[in-house]
Amino acid sequence: NAGVMQNPRHLVRRRGQEARLRCSPMKGHSHVYWYRQLPEEGLKFMVYLQKENIIDESGMPKERFSAEFPKEGPSILRIQQVVRGDSAAYFCASSLQSAGAVNNEQFFGPGTRLTVL
Amino acid sequence: KNEVEQSPQNLTAQEGEFITINCSYSVGISALHWLQQHPGGGIVSLFMLSSGKKKHGRLIATINIQEKHSSLHITASHPRDSAVYICAVRPHTGNQFYFGTGTSLTVIP
Repeated sequence: NAGVMQNPRHLVRRRGQEARLRCSPMKGHSHVYWYRQLPEEGLKFMVYLQKENIIDESGMPKERFSAEFPKEGPSILRIQQVVRGDSAAYFCASSLQSAGAVNNEQFFGPGTRLTVL
Repeated sequence: KNEVEQSPQNLTAQEGEFITINCSYSVGISALHWLQQHPGGGIVSLFMLSSGKKKHGRLIATINIQEKHSSLHITASHPRDSAVYICAVRPHTGNQFYFGTGTSLTVIP
């Protein structure tokens, strides 16, 4: 049973380009979470998705960032017109149960390290 | 103000020492996670707990809900325990976890 997969592991973009980060949850998990870890800072919640639905995007910047989790395929975090401040590690996690469930345990992927030149 | 505070921020120990990392939080929670992150690496969930104490190998995690405090203990520490340990809490309401900034542990042979 493979864990949470993320790709690419490292991504380099120039300012103004688009970045697409992919996350495949653990088998059987339909809840996906994206987190951002800025250099020297803790992890911050960005968005919570369930298949085809965005449940909570309160932590995601209103502009340039979007996320989806289609019926088929991985969840995608998309950053348009990247800026240097977007350089960070982006982690995806998945869970079997919903975020509010008592026994919700999240399993993390290896992260994508985005560098904006 | 961060909802989750960890101490110490950095910790260096000799191999074999008993280690304690503390986590205090300011919100009512339904669960608390202890996570481990190796340099440049991914994140591994060590424990999820909502009350009492859990043990896994040389790792022990305790939580005191009334005092809003949790501790992670490592017995007989080993250089391979060197990593950043992160405390994360899930409030009663909302979907997100709040994370501490982590405790960077270095165990010297």
